[in-house]
Amino acid sequence: DQQVKQNSPSLSVQEGRISILNCDYTNSMFDYFLWYKKYPAEGPTFLISISSIKDKNEDGRFTVFLNKSAKHLSLHIVPSQPGDSAVYFCAASVRSGGSNYKLTFGKGTLLTVNP
Amino acid sequence: SQTIHQWPATLVQPVGSPLSLECTVEGTSNPNLYWYRQAAGRGLQLLFYSVGIGQISSEVPQNLSASRPQDRQFILSSKKLLLSDSGFYLCAWSDDRNTGELFFGEGSRLTVL
Repeated sequence: DQQVKQNSPSLSVQEGRISILNCDYTNSMFDYFLWYKKYPAEGPTFLISISSIKDKNEDGRFTVFLNKSAKHLSLHIVPSQPGDSAVYFCAASVRSGGSNYKLTFGKGTLLTVNP
Repeated sequence: SQTIHQWPATLVQPVGSPLSLECTVEGTSNPNLYWYRQAAGRGLQLLFYSVGIGQISSEVPQNLSASRPQDRQFILSSKKLLLSDSGFYLCAWSDDRNTGELFFGEGSRLTVL
């Protein structure tokens, strides 16, 4: 049972335009959502997060929106740059056993930004 | 500052051979430690996590095991590798802040032939 779904395996956008990456989840117990960026042969790096008590978080060119009723979140990148080309993972966490968080990841979306 | 390292970066092993991947974290104490795997065409799957020395929780039944002999050392092992064990293995750590943020190592590419 896939609790975090990224239904678009790939996305291609033009430099300067907006990139919108989508993510859906099924577990209503998730209380924190994160986006990670991954280049080939490297570990993922944290990009931006949002708590379940908020509906928007912005950090520079990156904004994450959360729609709890729809169990949907999205990552907006504007303007998109060629260096943004990478795989983007959506992740969600449920607090378990004290301070330990376990992340459930989606399958990722490959973003390609064309010059 | 905190750093995380895992090795080896690349490994090619025959079916039935043993495996040992190591991960160490510096600059923090009592971290939560994790092993994830990214198989071809799949997302990141949590394999094991540890909240302290000798404390290991397994997320999925499999051919692998994990150990935490020291506070900042996490080891992934197998006695006999299967073809299906091929993948990109990632060690990660988190602290006690009230977030779910993980910090990942560089990854280890395992190919089982």
